[in-house]
Amino acid sequence: KAGVTQTPRYLIKTRGQQVTLSCSPISGHRSVSWYQQTPGQGLQFLFEYFSETQRNKGNFPGRFSGRQFSNSRSEMNVSTLELGDSALYLCASSTSGTSLHHEQYFGPGTRLTVT
Amino acid sequence: KQEVTQIPAALSVPEGENLVLNCSFTDSAIYNLQWFRQDPGKGLTSLLLIQSSQREQTSGRLNASLDKSSGRSTLYIAASQPGDSATYLCAVEVANAGGTSYGKLTFGQGTILTVHP
Repeated sequence: KAGVTQTPRYLIKTRGQQVTLSCSPISGHRSVSWYQQTPGQGLQFLFEYFSETQRNKGNFPGRFSGRQFSNSRSEMNVSTLELGDSALYLCASSTSGTSLHHEQYFGPGTRLTVT
Repeated sequence: KQEVTQIPAALSVPEGENLVLNCSFTDSAIYNLQWFRQDPGKGLTSLLLIQSSQREQTSGRLNASLDKSSGRSTLYIAASQPGDSATYLCAVEVANAGGTSYGKLTFGQGTILTVHP
């Protein structure tokens, strides 16, 4: 079974631009979560989607948004980029349904650099 | 607010040693705890998942224990090898104010492990 894939793997953007990152979950997984990893803050939860609905959201400004498609693929968007948005963005998928909490599998990440 | 702490922050050992990594969390109302490994610049690899009703899980040379009441977990690595060198992260899944969790893992800062030949 193919793992979680993320595209692009590396990205360089300028302050003020916007960016869209993509995540394809493991086949059969319907839950996709996004995390931001920085040296100073570590791994922080952004949001989670299940069946095209955002079920949970972390403490990030509204510039960070996401969506999920009917095939469970997910995108996250960051508008008006700031230097502090430079980070490794990781997505994870799981089989999480409405009750049980399942193991999360992570993709390789997208390294975003904002200049 | 759930906080996760990992001790030590870094560990350097000779090959063949058995070692223990520690993880503590402040809110004992967790659904599960997961241990991950991260190689430099890479994503996370899941090592072990312990459900809240379980006390331990084993996979090969790895054994993880969970004590919810004291808010602690340990990851035991037997007969360490240079290939075990990586950052080890623990993460807990906790319910939010609405009683749900849905994918939100709270991570520790990690333990950087170096195993030298």
